[in-house]
Amino acid sequence: QKEVEQNSGPLSVPEGAIASLNCTYSDRGSQSFFWYRQYSGKSPELIMFIYSNGDKEDGRFTAQLNKASQYVSLLIRDSQPSDSATYLCAVEGGKLIFGQGTELSVKP
Amino acid sequence: EAGVVQSPRYKIIEKKQPVAFWCNPISGHNTLYWYRQNLGQGPELLIRYENEEAVDDSQLPKDRFSAERLKGVDSTLKIQPAELGDSAVYLCASSQRGGNTEAFFGQGTRLTVV
Repeated sequence: QKEVEQNSGPLSVPEGAIASLNCTYSDRGSQSFFWYRQYSGKSPELIMFIYSNGDKEDGRFTAQLNKASQYVSLLIRDSQPSDSATYLCAVEGGKLIFGQGTELSVKP
Repeated sequence: EAGVVQSPRYKIIEKKQPVAFWCNPISGHNTLYWYRQNLGQGPELLIRYENEEAVDDSQLPKDRFSAERLKGVDSTLKIQPAELGDSAVYLCASSQRGGNTEAFFGQGTRLTVV
């Protein structure tokens, strides 16, 4: 079992829709959870982090964490073509481990 | 404030040759990571430093890879000898302290071994 798992996609949504990205992790001792966005040929950039159970909102982005289920998600509201990228889930539990990423495509 | 700086951006070498990558983290960041990213995959941790100490190098292929972080600032990752399968993007990241803080990435070094 991989330490951090994501659906590889691609996930395709129409412009203006909600994109939902999911991630599960295996280490129950993990304390911090991050979402990075990576455009093709570029390095990952941090867009959200969450430490506590529940929701955290930042603009069009909402991160959701459920430690009991070992599940973290990212919702992107009013998706734009510029949101098309690979989204990487990362989990910190002594070391920062990444999932394989989910490719998101937002169609105009 | 300058971000994480890596060099070179691109490197093409023949197999069995040595290669080295350099990373300068964000000023004041004690934690430094080296990751390898293959096409279509997420970054894979190679080594993590806290200041000058390598606290996690369990994923570093020690027969051919080595790393150092002198004085707890800049870091160098070396491969000797390189193999075709080492072709990937090598990413350096830094954070303020180990655990629970976000990591910032450099632009990466794209290595091609021919």
